[in-house]
Amino acid sequence: DQQVKQNSPSLSVQEGRISILNCDYTNSMFDYFLWYKKYPAEGPTFLISISSIKDKNEDGRFTVFLNKSAKHLSLHIVPSQPGDSAVYFCAASENSGGSNYKLTFGKGTLLTVNP
Amino acid sequence: DSGVTQTPKHLITATGQRVTLRCSPRSGDLSVYWYQQSLDQGLQFLIQYYNGEERAKGNILERFSAQQFPDLHSELNLSSLELGDSALYFCASSPEGGFNQPQHFGDGTRLSIL
Repeated sequence: DQQVKQNSPSLSVQEGRISILNCDYTNSMFDYFLWYKKYPAEGPTFLISISSIKDKNEDGRFTVFLNKSAKHLSLHIVPSQPGDSAVYFCAASENSGGSNYKLTFGKGTLLTVNP
Repeated sequence: DSGVTQTPKHLITATGQRVTLRCSPRSGDLSVYWYQQSLDQGLQFLIQYYNGEERAKGNILERFSAQQFPDLHSELNLSSLELGDSALYFCASSPEGGFNQPQHFGDGTRLSIL
């Protein structure tokens, strides 16, 4: 059972335009969401996060939107740059009791930004 | 450079064998997390240690175990290896123990089982 889904395996965008990466989840107990970026042969790098009590968080060119009723979040990159080409992972965190947390990742979306 | 060091970068071994993967967290980080990334499963959380104690468990098999030492480095032990254990194993660290904070990942150890 995949609790965090990134339904688009890949996305191609022109430089300077907006990139929108989507993520859906099924577990209503998730209370924190994070986006990571991964280049080949490197580990994931944290990008931006959002708490379930918010619906938007912005950091420079990156904005994450959360729609709790739809169990959907999206990452907007504006403007997109060729260096943004990477695999983007959505992750969701759940406190499963006391100090126990779980972190569930989506399978990732490969973003290609064309010059 | 995330500051998280994983060794070795590559490991090739045979079925039935046992291997140990090592992780040095970022300076000052108390929490270490282990993940497995295989082609069909994506990134799977295995286990977390915080300041030497096990904090959270994910999809970790009984054949796998981990520990965190007093100097905060961690080792992931994989035994009775099977072909399906071939994957990229990542270690990550964070200052505190919650998952609701950014983790800093190493570049991974690629394990190939022949």
